[in-house]
Amino acid sequence: GQNIDQPTEMTATEGAIVQINCTYQTSGFNGLFWYQQHAGEAPTFLSYNVLDGLEEKGRFSSFLSRSKGYSYLLLKELQMKDSASYLCAVKNSNYQLIWGAGTKLIIKP
Amino acid sequence: DAMVIQNPRYQVTQFGKPVTLSCSQTLNHNVMYWYQQKSSQAPKLLFHYYDKDFNNEADTPDNFQSRRPNTSFCFLDIRSPGLGDAAMYLCATSIGTSGSNEQFFGPGTRLTVL
Repeated sequence: GQNIDQPTEMTATEGAIVQINCTYQTSGFNGLFWYQQHAGEAPTFLSYNVLDGLEEKGRFSSFLSRSKGYSYLLLKELQMKDSASYLCAVKNSNYQLIWGAGTKLIIKP
Repeated sequence: DAMVIQNPRYQVTQFGKPVTLSCSQTLNHNVMYWYQQKSSQAPKLLFHYYDKDFNNEADTPDNFQSRRPNTSFCFLDIRSPGLGDAAMYLCATSIGTSGSNEQFFGPGTRLTVL
């Protein structure tokens, strides 16, 4: 089967750094996405990785290792508004998007 | 602004009473998707259209149907809603399905079944 694993919930402190991990097993690979989803709202696109390495975009960075089936999302200088769920999704060889259940990130002052 | 719009944002229906959810887009994207998402779960793809080409997921119940009368609009019909169909329904679009084509989501319709 195909699956995406992420921690269910994480807690971090305002101003700190947090790393959200994602491991995947899919039939083929055509890229990995990270989305942010605030409670009761739609997911919004954060990042896309298709090659190994780190992609930096402001306070958010995303890393990919295809050989390990592993990615992480790194959030720096955490703000209260970063409290949300972060969903990892992988596009497989059929270009289907396989979604993880998301990691709920709780930011404390 | 180019966007994905869903109506209504909240829908209450009775057990067994048909309901239609609508989605429109101003992005002129080729692909439109319908997802079901329950609390703390991954979005579950129900079906998608590539232009007029309909693609049904194997495990989507027959109770769920879809129509795409033109590029801009897509509808989700639930013929006989059950209590288990209460969820957030998300419409998304993408320009295509290849690797980097991200999906853009509407705000969702939260369906309550009484």
